Amino acid sequence: AQTVTQSQPEMSVQEAETVTLSCTYDTSESDYYLFWYKQPPSRQMILVIRQEAYKQQNATENRFSVNFQKAAKSFSLKISDSQLGDAAMYFCAYRGGTSYGKLTFGQGTILTVHP
Amino acid sequence: SAVISQKPSRDICQRGTSLTIQCQVDSQVTMMFWYRQQPGQSLTLIATANQGSEATYESGFVIDKFPISRPNLTFSTLTVSNMSPEDSSIYLCSVLPGKNQPQHFGDGTRLSIL
Repeated sequence: AQTVTQSQPEMSVQEAETVTLSCTYDTSESDYYLFWYKQPPSRQMILVIRQEAYKQQNATENRFSVNFQKAAKSFSLKISDSQLGDAAMYFCAYRGGTSYGKLTFGQGTILTVHP
Repeated sequence: SAVISQKPSRDICQRGTSLTIQCQVDSQVTMMFWYRQQPGQSLTLIATANQGSEATYESGFVIDKFPISRPNLTFSTLTVSNMSPEDSSIYLCSVLPGKNQPQHFGDGTRLSIL
């Protein structure tokens, strides 16, 4: 079974600084997708960024980028120029290519942004 | 992306009662899912809601406790039956519009059982 591990229960960053959230996963599949979701106190799950395993290039969405290391099964999220609105719980998630959409989530990392 | 409406947004229920949560999508979607998020925890998949057939449940979840309906490609319901305080959680509906697309989530239902 696939597992997703986020080893940082909590992280903090100063506004305008950069922070990196860690995620590792375990799978025997070669075709899969990885995601970072953000969950603010409003509890809505918001997609931050996605990465297809077959793509070597790291995904980027504005201030958010990932460092995808397939051999190491690592998928970290970098947030640049942190803003107060980035404060939330961040979940790393895995979806296998043949899992018919099922997502496996990590434990989550609470990100605090200090003004 | 798909717009998902989930109702109710929150409820407080008595022990032993049942509650049905609705999930409505503004477009036809291939797959719909129901997740549970216990307080301070991550999300766990309860089941995949299959259109026109019985839902597919994950280990630890059973149909008698969490009956699910999906009458068409835009609507699903999850019932939490015979509730106990341990069922106090956020329940989230999610949809997969297509095979190579990301899942999108409803706003969730915060359920508290007294």
